Amino acid sequence: DTAVSQTPKYLVTQMGNDKSIKCEQNLGHDTMYWYKQDSKKFLKIMFSYNNKELIINETVPNRFSPKSPDKAHLNLHINSLELGDSAVYFCASSQGSAFNQPQHFGDGTRLSIL
Amino acid sequence: GNSVTQMEGPVTLSEEAFLTINCTYTATGYPSLFWYVQYPGEGLQLLLKATKADDKGSNKGFEATYRKETTSFHLEKGSVQVSDSAVYFCALSDRGGGSNYKLTFGKGTLLTVNP
Repeated sequence: DTAVSQTPKYLVTQMGNDKSIKCEQNLGHDTMYWYKQDSKKFLKIMFSYNNKELIINETVPNRFSPKSPDKAHLNLHINSLELGDSAVYFCASSQGSAFNQPQHFGDGTRLSIL
Repeated sequence: GNSVTQMEGPVTLSEEAFLTINCTYTATGYPSLFWYVQYPGEGLQLLLKATKADDKGSNKGFEATYRKETTSFHLEKGSVQVSDSAVYFCALSDRGGGSNYKLTFGKGTLLTVNP
């Protein structure tokens, strides 16, 4: 059983379009995250939700809007896609957001902007 | 702000060689430290962690010791296998707002093990 699953795995689209990525976890965790990994493998947090409430919002353009309908799901909607948005986006989850909690990652969504 | 510095890769070794990947950090307070591994085409997986000074994390033959005096958390393995080929990330927990924490990652080190 997949613990953290993301869809789609690949997303190829044109500049200016709007797209969404979905994430679901079946671990019973209450905290979920979105990360962006660039072409050099650098990984940076974008958002974090705890029990559907936004708790971390890094410096991310407001074209990116996360939504958490329940604590098992965290979706990411991106408006007006730009070339620089091309990356791999990872969803993750943890039980709580305490300093010693490990995170469980999905396999990533590779977004390519033409 | 807090940061993590890893040795730059790529690192190429022969099977059964000894592995060290250096990681140092800058942080206020006492963060938890982690090593994550990313196999090709997959997400990150927790490899090991340490939550306080002098703790040693270990898993699958990998070890790392939390050294507060040198602000380091170097990853070691005595005898690598081809299946250890992956990207390795050092990370620390970092306050993200209020009592919430987030992970700050190093830039990753690509390890290739040849038969």
